[in-house]
Amino acid sequence: NAGVTQTPKFQVLKTGQSMTLQCAQDMNHNSMYWYRQDPGMGLRLIYYSASEGTTDKGEVPNGYNVSRLNKREFSLRLESAAPSQTSVYFCASSGFRDRDYEQYFGPGTRLTVT
Amino acid sequence: GDSVTQMEGPVTLSEEAFLTINCTYTATGYPSLFWYVQYPGEGLQLLLKATKADDKGSNKGFEATYRKETTSFHLEKGSVQVSDSAVYFCALEGNYGQNFVFGPGTRLSVLP
Repeated sequence: NAGVTQTPKFQVLKTGQSMTLQCAQDMNHNSMYWYRQDPGMGLRLIYYSASEGTTDKGEVPNGYNVSRLNKREFSLRLESAAPSQTSVYFCASSGFRDRDYEQYFGPGTRLTVT
Repeated sequence: GDSVTQMEGPVTLSEEAFLTINCTYTATGYPSLFWYVQYPGEGLQLLLKATKADDKGSNKGFEATYRKETTSFHLEKGSVQVSDSAVYFCALEGNYGQNFVFGPGTRLSVLP
């Protein structure tokens, strides 16, 4: 049982390049999330998907797009990377366990935009 | 909207010292409360949780009690170890899995 997996682990982009961060979960969860983590700012929600076929903006969606490809996979795309998007990106999924919903995180993607 | 406030770090302690990390929240309704831990270079892991008032969550020697009257969920450990060095996040969820809100995190360093 792999949980939540993310690829790649590290990436360096030049300003204006595009890329897609991949995320998959094998826990049959309906909800999936993308966060970014910046020093001193905790986690900020970029987008989330409550179920297959639906996506909604979070706190900081500008400059990003997402695709919920199927129940397992939720990708994050940067169309034209900017230095302000240098961050660590975490994917998460949530499911009901032990009387409540719990969130499970991937290991993160460390992105640098030069 | 819902929010979580944590004590600012970093917190530096000697091994075997007592740990308290304060967490307070603002929420409508009756959220569930969580503590997550992030070790260097890794994602967040659930440490403990409490789903209703007066519940106590515990795991690996850490404890936190859901205090509705003070809207708090402080994390405590009686004797910290060097291996507890990490960033700790307090969080709440109040909408059937649709609304997780995280605090800014508190970095803990434990010195031998």
